[in-house]
Amino acid sequence: GAVVSQHPSRVICKSGTSVKIECRSLDFQATTMFWYRQFPKQSLMLMATSNEGSKATYEQGVEKDKFLINHASLTLSTLTVTSAHPEDSSFYICSARPSGVLYNEQFFGPGTRLTVL
Amino acid sequence: AQSVAQPEDQVNVAEGNPLTVKCTYSVSGNPYLFWYVQYPNRGLQFLLKYITGDNLVKGSYGFEAEFNKSQTSFHLKKPSALVSDSALYFCAVRDPPGGNTPLVFGKGTRLSVIA
Repeated sequence: GAVVSQHPSRVICKSGTSVKIECRSLDFQATTMFWYRQFPKQSLMLMATSNEGSKATYEQGVEKDKFLINHASLTLSTLTVTSAHPEDSSFYICSARPSGVLYNEQFFGPGTRLTVL
Repeated sequence: AQSVAQPEDQVNVAEGNPLTVKCTYSVSGNPYLFWYVQYPNRGLQFLLKYITGDNLVKGSYGFEAEFNKSQTSFHLKKPSALVSDSALYFCAVRDPPGGNTPLVFGKGTRLSVIA
């Protein structure tokens, strides 16, 4: 149980295009999902907290107009990188926390490697 | 604000020897502490967590961690390392434990187990 999927696993796009990454909780409902970004050999940096049915909360320094987050259902959150540039190339990882007070850990997707040419 | 420190970028250990990956934390209240492992180009896999109760927590793949409140540490340990344990290990904290607060991660420690 507690499986999180991400799609696509790898994407290469041209500069200026937009890329959408999907994060799904496959066997549980997640009121809250998180999006992280990881640079090579570095830790995960939280980008935003996504709550179902409401606007995402972005961390300081993260452009909300560039990284659009939608959490339309209890099992799906999407991250859209708009007008991507080479500096947006990174490993993006989503995480979901099951609804309910008993759960404290977050479950992570396998990640999406974005390369912007 | 909470924070986690992993003082070692790299830990090398011979196969069969015990391993320790260090983690210290800083929180305002009682922490929820976690260890995750990441293999190349993969997401994070949950290893274990400390919420309350026994200070020694046992997790997946033979790993365990000891919560030490006086030293604000949560070191990850395994009695006998395997080559397959070679990966990137992250310590994380959640404070306050309630609500929608996210996990905050340390910078990670790369473990290399040598045959």
